[in-house]
Amino acid sequence: KAGVTQTPRYLIKTRGQQVTLSCSPISGHRSVSWYQQTPGQGLQFLFEYFSETQRNKGNFPGRFSGRQFSNSRSEMNVSTLELGDSALYLCASSTAGGNTEAFFGQGTRLTVV
Amino acid sequence: AQSVTQLGSHVSVSEGALVLLRCNYSSSVPPYLFWYVQYPNQGLQLLLKYTSAATLVKGINGFEAEFKKSETSFHLTKPSAHMSDAAEYFCAVSDRRGGSARQLTFGSGTQLTVLP
Repeated sequence: KAGVTQTPRYLIKTRGQQVTLSCSPISGHRSVSWYQQTPGQGLQFLFEYFSETQRNKGNFPGRFSGRQFSNSRSEMNVSTLELGDSALYLCASSTAGGNTEAFFGQGTRLTVV
Repeated sequence: AQSVTQLGSHVSVSEGALVLLRCNYSSSVPPYLFWYVQYPNQGLQLLLKYTSAATLVKGINGFEAEFKKSETSFHLTKPSAHMSDAAEYFCAVSDRRGGSARQLTFGSGTQLTVLP
């Protein structure tokens, strides 16, 4: 069965622009979580969506937002990009509950110049 | 609040030697614990998970981990390292509370180098 698909894999944006990243979860998974990975801060939770509703949000500014569609695909948006937003953005999908495995995509590498 | 501490940001072992990667957690409720591996420019792959069924958990690629509540530890081991084990390893904790969202708190990672 197909894994978690993130598009695009690589992205270069200019400071001040906005960007949208896409995540298609494994078929049947209704939970999609997003994480930011940087060398300095490590892996940090951004937010989680379940059945089109945001269930939990990490400690990130309002410039970071997301949504989930009825087919469970999710997008995250970052507005007014800053150099510090350069990171690997990882999406994970799972069925439900805290004990189930989260399957990660390969990530989108965002570079802000 | 929950947290994870991984002791040693870099660990080097010789091929064939024991691998031991350390993880200590802090959680106000019984946790779910996970070990993930990340290869360069890749996402995270689950090695194993602890969900209270058994304290000694066996995972993929010969890895295993033991949950020790008294020590709040979940160290990852492999009896004999292989060159292909060279990667970054992350320990993570998830909240066990009912209705909990899928929020993983990760440690800072341990880069494993395997020497020939």
